[in-house]
Amino acid sequence: DAGVIQSPRHEVTEMGQEVTLRCKPISGHNSLFWYRQTMMRGLELLIYFNNNVPIDDSGMPEDRFSAKMPNASFSTLKIQPSEPRDSAVYFCASSPTGQGGTTNEKLFFGSGTQLSVL
Amino acid sequence: AQSVTQLDSQVPVFEEAPVELRCNYSSSVSVYLFWYVQYPNQGLQLLLKYLSGSTLVKGINGFEAEFNKSQTSFHLRKPSVHISDTAEYFCAVTITGGGNKLTFGTGTQLKVEL
Repeated sequence: DAGVIQSPRHEVTEMGQEVTLRCKPISGHNSLFWYRQTMMRGLELLIYFNNNVPIDDSGMPEDRFSAKMPNASFSTLKIQPSEPRDSAVYFCASSPTGQGGTTNEKLFFGSGTQLSVL
Repeated sequence: AQSVTQLDSQVPVFEEAPVELRCNYSSSVSVYLFWYVQYPNQGLQLLLKYLSGSTLVKGINGFEAEFNKSQTSFHLRKPSVHISDTAEYFCAVTITGGGNKLTFGTGTQLKVEL
């Protein structure tokens, strides 16, 4: 398996532009997570999906952020409009755990998208 | 809500020396605990996890961790480090039945020197 695939690997944009980050989870995994990593705040969970349904989006910082999972093999994280303080590494992760955390299998992380908003 | 504290932001150590990375957690309910490692420009990888049972957990690359409920700690140890262990290490917690929603610590940068 190719693992969790994120694109693009790097994104440089100007303030005010729309940014879309993409993630393809591992086939068969039914949970998907978006994390943001910064020096100041470390790793923060933004949102997670189970069976394509958003379960907890309490970590999404503002209405400028939105995430979708139209099917089991694809998810997007969109920032519109982007701001310099959104600059961070955004990680997508997937796991085979079902809702309720009955097994708590490990998360498989993608390599991340380095976002720079100028 | 649960939280994790990693007391050391950086730990320098010489190769073949032992190392301990500290992690303390806070939660009002039962938890599962994890250690993840992040090599430069990569995503996180699971080192080991504690779900239940024996409090001493062994993971990959010779690492182990001990769950201490009375001290609410889950320190990571390795008896002899290698230069390739240089990386950032994250402790994480989730409550039982939490659906794998992990809360991560701020990370500890382990730098192994010759």
